[in-house]
Amino acid sequence: EAGVAQSPRYKIIEKRQSVAFWCNPISGHATLYWYQQILGQGPKLLIQFQNNGVVDDSQLPKDRFSAERLKGVDSTLKIQPAKLEDSAVYLCASSLGGPNQPQHFGDGTRLSIL
Amino acid sequence: AQTVTQSQPEMSVQEAETVTLSCTYDTSENNYYLFWYKQPPSRQMILVIRQEAYKQQNATENRFSVNFQKAAKSFSLKISDSQLGDTAMYFCASTTSGTYKYIFGTGTRLKVLA
Repeated sequence: EAGVAQSPRYKIIEKRQSVAFWCNPISGHATLYWYQQILGQGPKLLIQFQNNGVVDDSQLPKDRFSAERLKGVDSTLKIQPAKLEDSAVYLCASSLGGPNQPQHFGDGTRLSIL
Repeated sequence: AQTVTQSQPEMSVQEAETVTLSCTYDTSENNYYLFWYKQPPSRQMILVIRQEAYKQQNATENRFSVNFQKAAKSFSLKISDSQLGDTAMYFCASTTSGTYKYIFGTGTRLKVLA
């Protein structure tokens, strides 16, 4: 089966600019996650979708971050305006759903803010 | 609140030897699940092994096994016959039956030496 696809792989922008990331989960996976992974740390959940509804976005900085999952498949994560502390790898993962199901991760997008 | 703690930032092991990575967790839930994920330098996170809290038997996957001590809230990963390809960051994670939210530890960087 095809894995979780993410693009772009790398992105460099200046602070206060905007950026968007795209994720295509594994076909049939109902649950989709976006994580922020700062260098040297574990992934931090930003938002979790179940189909096209938001399950958890408690750690999403909503003043600058937004995410959507149209039609319960692809998802986009946007940052506007970017800050220096947003430099990180943004990981997308998907699963069949259920707490015992493993997550399948994409390669991530490495974002550098100048 | 759910927490996951990995107290070993870095470890190294000689090829073909055995190494144990530590993880402790805290949760007020009765039904929960524990995972170990591996993140090689290429960055894609993959599942190594998982354990259901209601199962007393420790999970095993080929060279990987866990020591699950429920009363102590400890979930360590043992890698036997270490191989150079085991070099990676290893993350411990937990979820509960109430949500599908993963909580990750800060990771242990393992280096297998030739």
